[in-house]
Amino acid sequence: NAGVTQTPKFRVLKTGQSMTLLCAQDMNHEYMYWYRQDPGMGLRLIHYSVGEGTTAKGEVPDGYNVSRLKKQNFLLGLESAAPSQTSVYFCASSRQSHSGNTIYFGEGSWLTVV
Amino acid sequence: QQQVKQSPQSLIVQKGGISIINCAYENTAFDYFPWYQQFPGKGPALLIAIRPDVSEKKEGRFTISFNKSAKQFSLHIMDSQPGDSATYFCAASMLIYGQNFVFGPGTRLSVLP
Repeated sequence: NAGVTQTPKFRVLKTGQSMTLLCAQDMNHEYMYWYRQDPGMGLRLIHYSVGEGTTAKGEVPDGYNVSRLKKQNFLLGLESAAPSQTSVYFCASSRQSHSGNTIYFGEGSWLTVV
Repeated sequence: QQQVKQSPQSLIVQKGGISIINCAYENTAFDYFPWYQQFPGKGPALLIAIRPDVSEKKEGRFTISFNKSAKQFSLHIMDSQPGDSATYFCAASMLIYGQNFVFGPGTRLSVLP
């Protein structure tokens, strides 16, 4: 019963390096999301996807790219990491619903850019 | 207009007391208001949610009170327990646009034994 799984859990990057955060969900959810969490800022949406092959920008998309080649996977890429991207990143998923639904979060990926 | 304001930033309550966290929003198009609970080192998890067609929803010790005219909603935790110590986020969304939530900044609750 894995739910939403993120890898890696911890990573330290040097400024300018690139990396990809991997997210997998086993609940057959249509919607997937990437959020970042910073102290006092709550959860801010970076990018989201409403289905396989689709992606859309959220509130804070600059400096990030995403891809959803398979329904169960949602990848978040940093092409040239900056110290401002030091944060905790959460992947999440939910079913398609217009009546209110639960977003299921992964356990987070702690990224430090030095 | 997309903001959700949340207060207090932190809250300390004695065991058995009542914890109250308040949220306010501006966008009247929001029609779904969940609360998420997050323990250290974990992702947030849905605690309780409400639609604006009701003024109150209760699940166990947790109650959401909703004031549509004031554009405010609050979480009440009755008989607070040390196990309730966590960060709580209120959120709002427009269901017609799917599940794109706007989250409040969070309240760190500490329940003293």
